[in-house]
Amino acid sequence: AQTVTQSQPEMSVQEAETVTLSCTYDTSESDYYLFWYKQPPSRQMILVIRQEAYKQQNATENRFSVNFQKAAKSFSLKISDSQLGDAAMYFCAYRSAWGGNQFYFGTGTSLTVIP
Amino acid sequence: SAVISQKPSRDICQRGTSLTIQCQVDSQVTMMFWYRQQPGQSLTLIATANQGSEATYESGFVIDKFPISRPNLTFSTLTVSNMSPEDSSIYLCSVEKGALNTEAFFGQGTRLTVV
Repeated sequence: AQTVTQSQPEMSVQEAETVTLSCTYDTSESDYYLFWYKQPPSRQMILVIRQEAYKQQNATENRFSVNFQKAAKSFSLKISDSQLGDAAMYFCAYRSAWGGNQFYFGTGTSLTVIP
Repeated sequence: SAVISQKPSRDICQRGTSLTIQCQVDSQVTMMFWYRQQPGQSLTLIATANQGSEATYESGFVIDKFPISRPNLTFSTLTVSNMSPEDSSIYLCSVEKGALNTEAFFGQGTRLTVV
């Protein structure tokens, strides 16, 4: 089975600064999808950004961008101009592109934004 | 996108009893997924529920403990049976939407405490 590793249980960032959350994964597949989900205290899981493995260009969504390194199996999330509302648990997730429907989630990184 | 309504949002239950969690989606979906998120942990897939067939359970989860119903394409229930304190977790319903069903949407979760 695929594994997703988030090595930073907790991170903090000053408001308006930039923070990078790390994620690595292990797979033998060549085609797959990677995701970052945000879970605020409300518990609602919200998709932040998605990356298709076949795309070389890194995905970007407003203040959120990823650094996707396929050979290194690394998928980090950069949050620019951090806002108080960014405080949440962030989960990295993997999903195969071929058959199977299971999402594999990392253990999460708790992000604190300091005013 | 998909809007998922999950009930109840939280409950405190006596050990030995059962709780049924409901998940309602605002559109028809082929598969619905049930996850467990233990305190401070990541999401673990319990089972996949298809309409008109028995749910498919992941390793470590059995139908007698977590019976699932899927009577139609917009609704599912998960029952946590004969509860013990170890069942205290957040339970999340999820569906997949988007191109090639590659994006997961989640309900707001049910926080279960067993005393």
